[in-house]
Order: sequence, then C-alpha cells, then structure tokens
Amino acid sequence: KQEVTQIPAALSVPEGENLVLNCSFTDSAIYNLQWFRQDPGKGLTSLLLIQSSQREQTSGRLNASLDKSSGRSTLYIAASQPGDSATYLCAVTARGANSKLTFGKGITLSVRP
Amino acid sequence: SAVISQKPSRDICQRGTSLTIQCQVDSQVTMMFWYRQQPGQSLTLIATANQGSEATYESGFVIDKFPISRPNLTFSTLTVSNMSPEDSSIYLCSVVTGTEENGYTFGSGTRLTVV
Repeated sequence: KQEVTQIPAALSVPEGENLVLNCSFTDSAIYNLQWFRQDPGKGLTSLLLIQSSQREQTSGRLNASLDKSSGRSTLYIAASQPGDSATYLCAVTARGANSKLTFGKGITLSVRP
Repeated sequence: SAVISQKPSRDICQRGTSLTIQCQVDSQVTMMFWYRQQPGQSLTLIATANQGSEATYESGFVIDKFPISRPNLTFSTLTVSNMSPEDSSIYLCSVVTGTEENGYTFGSGTRLTVV
C-alpha cells in the first residue's frame, strides 16, 4: 500500500528566504507526482505535475524534482513571499484504469513579512 | 485543464439531515472523483464516479451514506446522508482531463459543518 509522507507538518520562514519542501513515498512504481497548494478551507490548486519519466518541472519561482528510485520529491520555492503562505500537498498516482491520488498530510507554510 | 464549479462552497447543517453537493465540469470527462478532508487531515478518496455505471466506493465508505449520481459526462453529485458531527469536513470533487498524464483538477471544495 502506497504511503506518502511530508515532514515537517509546519514551517515558518522570513520573507525572501529560499526553501525546500520534502515529500517521500514508499512504492516507487508511480505514474506521476503532483504538488498542490491549499488555502485554508479551500480547494486544491495544482502547482506542478511530474511524470515518472521526468526529473523536474519548473513554473515561475517553483521547481519540483522527482527521484523515483529513492521515493522522493522536493518542491523548491525561491524568494518566498507572504502570499506563499498555504498548505502544500504532494500526491502520487499509480498507473491503472481507476487510478487514485494518494496524498501526504501536507506542509503548512507561513512566510513572515 | 478542466474548470470545475462546485456548489455549495459551505453549509451548516443539522444532524440527521442530508446535503447534496454538485460539481459541474466545463468539458466531458470519463471519471470524476469525490474526496473528503477531515479537519487537520489529508484527503481521502470516497468514490469514483463513471457515467452510466454505479460509483465505485473505497473501503470504509458505503453507498447508503454517500450516494453519488453521474447523469452525464460533465456533472456529478455527492449526497452526505443522515449527517452527524463526524461528517464535518471539506468535500472535494476532482477530474482528470484526458489521461492521467494531464494530472488532476479539483473543485473549490464544500466546507460542511454538522451541528
């Protein structure tokens, strides 16, 4: 059974800092990995999607990497801003007709002005 | 990617009543997924809804408690029946546009409080 872990559960950093959020998964036979952002009480916004054959994806100040063999992904946020404060979730899928996302519990990020 | 309109965004309900949540997608999709997020927890899949067939429920979720309709390729509803305070959660629908290579898109969520 796939398990996804995100540690720490919460992180507080000063504005402007570069930071890395970690995600690990137990079964390396994934199809893709997706990073989401969730604001309090809201739905999920997709940030980056990495296919199993890819090593990284970039969007603006965000860069996500994937090391499938070691079961790890990182989300790098450059020059953090207070508007980046949210919960960041990673999720993996396995190939299949009824593929579902398996989520980590998320990392709640607070960027202090 | 698809755009999903989910309603209501939030509701406060009395125990013993039922609430129906709607998701409308701006394009045709084969599968729609319903998730629950309990306070302080991550998302758990409730069921997968295919058009024209009965929904497939995950372990721990049953049709009598969470009936799902999928009348066409752009719309689905989830009903939370005979609610108790333990049902207080955020409920989200999700779709894949095309294949899983495109990733998943989520609705804006329904924040349910049962009193």
